[in-house]
Amino acid sequence: AQTVTQSQPEMSVQEAETVTLSCTYDTSENNYYLFWYKQPPSRQMILVIRQEAYKQQNATENRFSVNFQKAAKSFSLKISDSQLGDTAMYFCAFMKRNSGNTPLVFGKGTRLSVIA
Amino acid sequence: GAVVSQHPSWVICKSGTSVKIECRSLDFQATTMFWYRQFPKQSLMLMATSNEGSKATYEQGVEKDKFLINHASLTLSTLTVTSAHPEDSSFYICSANDLAGGVDEQFFGPGTRLTVL
Repeated sequence: AQTVTQSQPEMSVQEAETVTLSCTYDTSENNYYLFWYKQPPSRQMILVIRQEAYKQQNATENRFSVNFQKAAKSFSLKISDSQLGDTAMYFCAFMKRNSGNTPLVFGKGTRLSVIA
Repeated sequence: GAVVSQHPSWVICKSGTSVKIECRSLDFQATTMFWYRQFPKQSLMLMATSNEGSKATYEQGVEKDKFLINHASLTLSTLTVTSAHPEDSSFYICSANDLAGGVDEQFFGPGTRLTVL
């Protein structure tokens, strides 16, 4: 079974600064995806960024980037130039690849507050 | 991206009654949908995997007779909470993969907030 661990229940960052959210996972699978989802107060789950495990290059999406360390099973999210709209819950998630239909396994989440 | 809808967005019911929540994939077909439950300030926990045309697969600890899942078409899965009690009050979220889109990604519905009085 896969597990995802987010060790930071809450974090805060000043507007325009950079913050890094941590995530570690455990799996015996070799082919999988890792995701970061954002859940704002509306509670709609929004995909922030995805990483395919077979790709060595770290994924980036505008101000969001990841540091994927496959051997260490670590997948941190860096948010640059933080904005007030980044305030939300952030969930790290794992999903097997090419298995047709498998669910996501979520971490417990990190509540991020961006302070003006 | 693909769109998943849920209905209703919120519902209040009396203890002992049943509530049905619908999850629809609007612009793609989904042979499998997932139902998650999220209690306040907690993460999403998988309840069950809904399979089109066959029985759902429930996670350990989830009562299949209480949370009835029907996936009668490729675009609709329903979750019925039978004989609801206050402890069933939660936020229920469904998701589905758009496999035809060529990307392994789950798309989430906006969720349904259930309050049982």
